[in-house]
Amino acid sequence: AQTVTQSQPEMSVQEAETVTLSCTYDTSENNYYLFWYKQPPSRQMILVIRQEAYKQQNATENRFSVNFQKAAKSFSLKISDSQLGDTAMYFCAFTSGYSTLTFGKGTMLLVSP
Amino acid sequence: NAGVTQTPKFRVLKTGQSMTLLCAQDMNHEYMYWYRQDPGMGLRLIHYSVGEGTTAKGEVPDGYNVSRLKKQNFLLGLESAAPSQTSVYFCASREAGTDPSGNTIYFGEGSWLTVV
Repeated sequence: AQTVTQSQPEMSVQEAETVTLSCTYDTSENNYYLFWYKQPPSRQMILVIRQEAYKQQNATENRFSVNFQKAAKSFSLKISDSQLGDTAMYFCAFTSGYSTLTFGKGTMLLVSP
Repeated sequence: NAGVTQTPKFRVLKTGQSMTLLCAQDMNHEYMYWYRQDPGMGLRLIHYSVGEGTTAKGEVPDGYNVSRLKKQNFLLGLESAAPSQTSVYFCASREAGTDPSGNTIYFGEGSWLTVV
């Protein structure tokens, strides 16, 4: 069974600064996908970024980028130029083949002025 | 385009009562899921379905039943609600295909259930 671990329950950052959220996972699969989801206070689940394991290049979406280290089974999310609207719970998630989506326990990010 | 719709959005139940949460998707997706979210626990899979007429247990299935009689609907039932089932419930769906793991998963807006 796959597991996803987020070791930082809470993090804080000041507006305009950069913050990195950590995620590690465990799997025996070779081909899989990793995701970061954002959940603001509205509880809506918003896909932030997606990484395919067989792609060497780290995924980037505007101010969001990942550091994907396949051998270390690490998938961290970097948020640059943090904004107040980035305040949310962030979930790391994993899926492969026909399996379901497995989530980490989440990291609550607070962006302060 | 409605996407994934959950009803009801909010419900308060008394211990022992029964209820059904309805998830409807209009994207013709094969796969549908029910998750529950509790503080500090992330989202945990209750049951899922890979097609009409099929269901399977997830990580935390006890106390719940599901049905997928129509492709667009996935029902989650609580036969005898318990306070431990107080949670936020999310439905999700995605396409199948040869590698479904790469397909985007669409979530509903959540259903808040309180059992007193």
